[in-house]
Amino acid sequence: QKEVEQDPGPLSVPEGAIVSLNCTYSNSAFQYFMWYRQYSRKGPELLMYTYSSGNKEDGRFTAQVDKSSKYISLFIRDSQPSDSATYLCAMTPRNRDDKIIFGKGTRLHILP
Amino acid sequence: EAGVTQFPSHSVIEKGQTVTLRCDPISGHDNLYWYRRVMGKEIKFLLHFVKESKQDESGMPNNRFLAERTGGTYSTLKVQPAELEDSGVYFCASSPQRSTGELFFGEGSRLTVL
Repeated sequence: QKEVEQDPGPLSVPEGAIVSLNCTYSNSAFQYFMWYRQYSRKGPELLMYTYSSGNKEDGRFTAQVDKSSKYISLFIRDSQPSDSATYLCAMTPRNRDDKIIFGKGTRLHILP
Repeated sequence: EAGVTQFPSHSVIEKGQTVTLRCDPISGHDNLYWYRRVMGKEIKFLLHFVKESKQDESGMPNNRFLAERTGGTYSTLKVQPAELEDSGVYFCASSPQRSTGELFFGEGSRLTVL
């Protein structure tokens, strides 16, 4: 069983829609949960992180962690074409700059 | 402020040849990481430097890979001899000593082994 499972997509939604991206994981030791965004031919950039369970909101983005279900989500409201990218979930057990375990990434297309 | 820079952006070599990838982290960042993405797979950790010391090299696939970080500044990752399965994108990332948890990634070096 992979440590982190993420549907690679692609996921296509119309502009303005709410996007839901998800990952499941198997290692209960994970404490820090992150979402990275990667544009084509670029490196990943940190979008959001959460510690342990709970929600975190930043503008149009909301990250949710449910440790009991080992399930994390990223919601994007009022999606824009500029949100088109690959979104990678990532997690680490101890420190946020420790060895990071990434999901495969979900390719997202926002259709104008 | 300059970001993490990697060179070359793309390298095409034949099996058995040697390739050296270079990473220049953000100035002042003590932590430097190498990650790799093989096509169709996840981005996977290779190793972590703190200044010039290897903190964790548990992700290095085998002894054909050699990473160095001279004087705690730039880092090189040498693959010798290269094999077909080494093809992929090699990412370098850095973070400050007292990290907020954010890794700053470079754009990656794409390696194609024929």
